[in-house]
Amino acid sequence: GQQVMQIPQYQHVQEGEDFTTYCNSSTTLSNIQWYKQRPGGHPVFLIQLVKSGEVKKQKRLTFQFGEAKKNSSLHITATQTTDVGTYFCAGRFNKFYFGSGTKLNVKP
Amino acid sequence: KAGVTQTPRYLIKTRGQQVTLSCSPISGHRSVSWYQQTPGQGLQFLFEYFSETQRNKGNFPGRFSGRQFSNSRSEMNVSTLELGDSALYLCASSSAGTGTDEQYFGPGTRLTVT
Repeated sequence: GQQVMQIPQYQHVQEGEDFTTYCNSSTTLSNIQWYKQRPGGHPVFLIQLVKSGEVKKQKRLTFQFGEAKKNSSLHITATQTTDVGTYFCAGRFNKFYFGSGTKLNVKP
Repeated sequence: KAGVTQTPRYLIKTRGQQVTLSCSPISGHRSVSWYQQTPGQGLQFLFEYFSETQRNKGNFPGRFSGRQFSNSRSEMNVSTLELGDSALYLCASSSAGTGTDEQYFGPGTRLTVT
């Protein structure tokens, strides 16, 4: 069935290093959304990508949607301790399929 | 605007009992989705409602059911609780009928089944 795979599961970085998480779908998606969940919190919407090959930036965060609309990535430049949390992608194929999340830990 | 609210925030139930969770979406939002979050399985989609109609359903047993009222408030019910139902249940609302808008999540209801 439809799945959205996300890697890596965990990432530990030193503050200032870059971070990337990847999502892959077995089928073409209508759109993909990214969420961040802080420890003890709930997922918070970051961005939605709709078009093939779309790239969007939010300050130090860069989001990409693949040409075939089957994969996406989130890249954080120069991580800060405030970036700590779990990042989820959610692919829309009729309903939303969430990736398993990448838990980011940033050491000061 | 007030955010998505969920009640209760915490719940402890015994195996075999049933439970009803409530979600009030952001004012004006007509789409409500429910998710189960566990450490092992991540975020699993339960169902999505739009204008009182169930639009999508996840792969959960029939013990899990939901409904949406005319004011867009939604409830989900779990009957004959099992230990594996212990999880954080999240409700999310969105504004667009197509469901392509961002989802705003509530704080969740933490259900513990003993």
